[in-house]
Amino acid sequence: AQSVTQPDIHITVSEGASLELRCNYSYGATPYLFWYVQSPGQGLQLLLKYFSGDTLVQGIKGFEAEFKRSQSSFNLRKPSVHWSDAAEYFCAVRNQGGKLIFGQGTELSVKP
Amino acid sequence: EAGVAQSPRYKIIEKRQSVAFWCNPISGHATLYWYQQILGQGPKLLIQFQNNGVVDDSQLPKDRFSAERLKGVDSTLKIQPAKLEDSAVYLCASSIGGLAASSYEQYFGPGTRLTVT
Repeated sequence: AQSVTQPDIHITVSEGASLELRCNYSYGATPYLFWYVQSPGQGLQLLLKYFSGDTLVQGIKGFEAEFKRSQSSFNLRKPSVHWSDAAEYFCAVRNQGGKLIFGQGTELSVKP
Repeated sequence: EAGVAQSPRYKIIEKRQSVAFWCNPISGHATLYWYQQILGQGPKLLIQFQNNGVVDDSQLPKDRFSAERLKGVDSTLKIQPAKLEDSAVYLCASSIGGLAASSYEQYFGPGTRLTVT
């Protein structure tokens, strides 16, 4: 069965520091992978997606993610975190029927 | 372009009462999804529509939840009767539909936060 694991429930980083949020997936075929961000009281906003091709994908707000098939990972990175990045981040994989399967999320806190 | 609209934004009801949520997807989007997001968890798909037909409702608790998309545009999700464990945020999303990769992107509404007391 398809699944997504985000090992870190909560991460705190200092403003200006680099960030990496981990995501591991389980999917038999070529995965379609997504990262979404959710601010308090808001819906989910798509940060970036991977369908095929270049394994390093760029997204909005300075985020990027790297698809590593050998590790079944799709980690999200940002070189310098801003206080406004504090939010909940969700990794998701799309199955063949179009259903998104989400991880449990990682809450990011940013220290001044 | 207008985004996915949902109403109400917040709802508080007592257990055993009924409640309905409304969603208007992005214009032209054929596929509509309802997700349930319990606090501390990722969203879980309840039901997926393609136009006005149901594609996947395998995780919809059909004894109490129902959803419809009669004209293939907006949709309602109903819970009757509500239980305490139904307290969650209910998210609606839409996508273009079809076979192109661009159709895989889902756009989410702001959600309805339901509290059952």
